[in-house]
Amino acid sequence: DTGVSQDPRHKITKRGQNVTFRCDPISEHNRLYWYRQTLGQGPEFLTYFQNEAQLEKSRLLSDRFSAERPKGSFSTLEIQRTEQGDSAMYLCASSLVPSGSLETQYFGPGTRLLVL
Amino acid sequence: DAKTTQPTSMDCAEGRAANLPCNHSTISGNEYVYWYRQIHSQGPQYIIHGLKNNETNEMASLIITEDRKSSTLILPHATLRDTAVYYCIVRVPPPSPRGFGNEKLTFGTGTRLTIIP
Repeated sequence: DTGVSQDPRHKITKRGQNVTFRCDPISEHNRLYWYRQTLGQGPEFLTYFQNEAQLEKSRLLSDRFSAERPKGSFSTLEIQRTEQGDSAMYLCASSLVPSGSLETQYFGPGTRLLVL
Repeated sequence: DAKTTQPTSMDCAEGRAANLPCNHSTISGNEYVYWYRQIHSQGPQYIIHGLKNNETNEMASLIITEDRKSSTLILPHATLRDTAVYYCIVRVPPPSPRGFGNEKLTFGTGTRLTIIP
C-alpha cells in the first residue's frame, strides 16, 4: 500500500453514461498525476496538478474528460458520454516537489473501467 | 525523454538473481534512470533510480554502465512475488536547474518477468 487510494476500484457502465473517479494522494504530496493504461500497454500520461493548478494535459485528454483538484488534496477525473474506447485502467499517482531528493511518483491501485 | 529498449519477456528460477537489461543509448547527461514494476492488476511500484553510480536499496540493485547507454536491474534472490512487468524509464526529474523537469513518466511496454518455482 503506497498511501494513494482510488475509488471505485472497478466500474462498469453503459456507453453514453458519465463516470467520475476519485483519487486521494499521500497527504503531504503537492503533485497529483492521472495516467491511463490499456491492455498490454504501459501507462500513458493524461494530466497533472501542482496543488490545485492543472499544469499539463495530454492530447489523450479529449473534451469529454475533465479533471479537478479543487483544494489541492483529492482529485476527480470525470468522463462524459463514455465510449467503448474509454475502457481502461485509470491510475493516479502523487509526489512531492521539491522533496530534498529526486521526485518519485507513487501510484494508487487504479480504477478499472469497462464501457459496455 | 530518451527512449528505452527492453526485452519483451524473461524467466528466472526462484531464488536466483534476476537481471533485467535496459538500453538507453540516447540518454542525455541530466537524465536519470528509473525502474518501476507492475504486478498484475495493481498500480506501478517504484523500485529504484540512479544517475551514473550504481545504486542499491532493499528491493534491488541498479547497475549503470560507464557510458550510461545501458543499465541492469538486479533482483538478488527472486521470489514468486517478483513476477511482474518491469519498466525502465529515463527522464529529467523535476525540478531541473532551469525550472521544471519532465513531469510525466513515459512508460514503454516493459519486460514481463516470470519467476519459475
